[in-house]
Amino acid sequence: NAGVTQTPKFRVLKTGQSMTLLCAQDMNHEYMYWYRQDPGMGLRLIHYSVGEGTTAKGEVPDGYNVSRLKKQNFLLGLESAAPSQTSVYFCASSYPSGGAEETQYFGPGTRLLVL
Amino acid sequence: DAKTTQPPSMDCAEGRAANLPCNHSTISGNEYVYWYRQIHSQGPQYIIHGLKNNETNEMASLIITEDRKSSTLILPHATLRDTAVYYCIVRLRAYTGTASKLTFGTGTRLQVTL
Repeated sequence: NAGVTQTPKFRVLKTGQSMTLLCAQDMNHEYMYWYRQDPGMGLRLIHYSVGEGTTAKGEVPDGYNVSRLKKQNFLLGLESAAPSQTSVYFCASSYPSGGAEETQYFGPGTRLLVL
Repeated sequence: DAKTTQPPSMDCAEGRAANLPCNHSTISGNEYVYWYRQIHSQGPQYIIHGLKNNETNEMASLIITEDRKSSTLILPHATLRDTAVYYCIVRLRAYTGTASKLTFGTGTRLQVTL
């Protein structure tokens, strides 16, 4: 049981390049999330998904797109990378228990540097 | 969700109890208090949560004041591996079909020393 995994661990992009970050979970969780964390800051929600084929915007969605074609995978895309998107990206998943007991499990993060 | 206030940093000697405070004076009756921690740039890790009763699990205890305007996370015997940033988060109960969007502040950086 690997939990939540993220690919790649680290990436350097040039401004204007595109890339896709992959998040995978093997816990059969319905909900998945993408956050970004800038130096010295807390995490901010980019996009999330409450089920296969569904996505929704979070707090800071501009410049990103997401897809949830399979329940276990949640992809985060940057179509045209900008230096402001230099950050650490965390994926999380949770199982909707219908109550406060819903706990988010986080991946190890992807460090992205945009030059 | 209600806003939380935490001290930016705290120190604790190894083996002693670490008491991390959190102020959430605008919390509403159906909002829960959650604690997560983040060890050196790893992904955040869930610790504990509660509504109004004190809670304890294998990692920590959560003490919520009677008026629910503040809470304290207690690590009973802190070790060097507990050095991390601790986040206090207040959020509404999640219902099926809604996502439990967590709002992270800047947290408290706990340094455990020998």
